[in-house]
Amino acid sequence: NAGVTQTPKFQVLKTGQSMTLQCAQDMNHEYMSWYRQDPGMGLRLIHYSVGAGITDQGEVPNGYNVSRSTTEDFPLRLLSAAPSQTSVYFCASSPLSVGGNTIYFGEGSWLTVV
Amino acid sequence: QQQVKQSPQSLIVQKGGISIINCAYENTAFDYFPWYQQFPGKGPALLIAIRPDVSEKKEGRFTISFNKSAKQFSLHIMDSQPGDSATYFCAALEGGATNKLIFGTGTLLAVQP
Repeated sequence: NAGVTQTPKFQVLKTGQSMTLQCAQDMNHEYMSWYRQDPGMGLRLIHYSVGAGITDQGEVPNGYNVSRSTTEDFPLRLLSAAPSQTSVYFCASSPLSVGGNTIYFGEGSWLTVV
Repeated sequence: QQQVKQSPQSLIVQKGGISIINCAYENTAFDYFPWYQQFPGKGPALLIAIRPDVSEKKEGRFTISFNKSAKQFSLHIMDSQPGDSATYFCAALEGGATNKLIFGTGTLLAVQP
């Protein structure tokens, strides 16, 4: 059981480049989300999805796009990378009713924008 | 504006001691309060969680105390061990259709042998 798989684990981008962070889960979870983790800031919600075809914004959505074409996959796109997007990104999934259910996190993607 | 305020930012405890981490919130729509443990290079993992209709929940050496009227909750780690050294995050779930989980800023715990 792979759980939540994120790729790549490490990435260096130049300012203005675009890229996609991949996230896949094999637990048939309806709810998926992306967080970024920065020192002293905790984890902040970027975007989330409650099912295929449905996405919504979290606390810090600017500069990021998402789509949910299947239950399993929830990619995060950076259209024009900025140094402020240097961070560790975590994908998470859970059954739709999060309260009382475990949220499973991936192992993270370390992104550096130079 | 930080919706979930966590303190302290860092904590050093001797082996066998009690570690206490505190969190406070304002949004009364929060209806589920988990604590996560994160080791370096890993994603956060659920440690223990509580609902606001319960004042205390204990699982092994870990206890959550919840004060609904004060909008505060805390994590107590009894008999702290070096293996407990990690970053701990409190979180609060905004119930309803959004399912938004909002995190505190984290506490770096170091348990000295």
